[in-house]
Amino acid sequence: AQSVTQLGSHVSVSEGALVLLRCNYSSSVPPYLFWYVQYPNQGLQLLLKYTSAATLVKGINGFEAEFKKSETSFHLTKPSAHMSDAAEYFCAVSEEAGGGADGLTFGKGTHLIIQP
Amino acid sequence: KAGVTQTPRYLIKTRGQQVTLSCSPISGHRSVSWYQQTPGQGLQFLFEYFSETQRNKGNFPGRFSGRQFSNSRSEMNVSTLELGDSALYLCASRQSSGNTIYFGEGSWLTVV
Repeated sequence: AQSVTQLGSHVSVSEGALVLLRCNYSSSVPPYLFWYVQYPNQGLQLLLKYTSAATLVKGINGFEAEFKKSETSFHLTKPSAHMSDAAEYFCAVSEEAGGGADGLTFGKGTHLIIQP
Repeated sequence: KAGVTQTPRYLIKTRGQQVTLSCSPISGHRSVSWYQQTPGQGLQFLFEYFSETQRNKGNFPGRFSGRQFSNSRSEMNVSTLELGDSALYLCASRQSSGNTIYFGEGSWLTVV
């Protein structure tokens, strides 16, 4: 069965500082990995996805993530935080394209706080 | 291109009642899936429909059901509502051969 662990339910950074949100996964097969962002009272917006093409994935809003098989990690980074980045971030994994039998399995989420 | 559209956005129901939520996928997307989001359990997969057939189902009781119509629009139904069913219900869609799942804004259900 697949699973996702997001280290840190809350992460606080200063505006302009590096953002690092951690995600570790467990999967019995090469996984599909995703990062979604959720703003207050809204649905999930896809930031980026890994589908075995390239290990460094660039997404929207300046975010990127690197797939490291040896570490079973898919950490999300952004060089310089902006106030508008404050939101909840979810890492998700699936063992089949589009979700499969168990759908997407999500981590518990990380609330990103941006200090002015 | 319009995104995934869910209605209603907010609703309040009483314990024991039933509720139906609606979802219109992105044009051309034939797969629709549903997720429940609660503060305690997080995001959990409910079920997925493709071409009017349920393909996969998460670990939820039979009170949770759904269906998909020939135009790919989907509804989910929860019968005999319990307080614990209060949640954000998210609908998502993807293309037949696609690996990217796009989510709607969700329907906020409060059971009192």
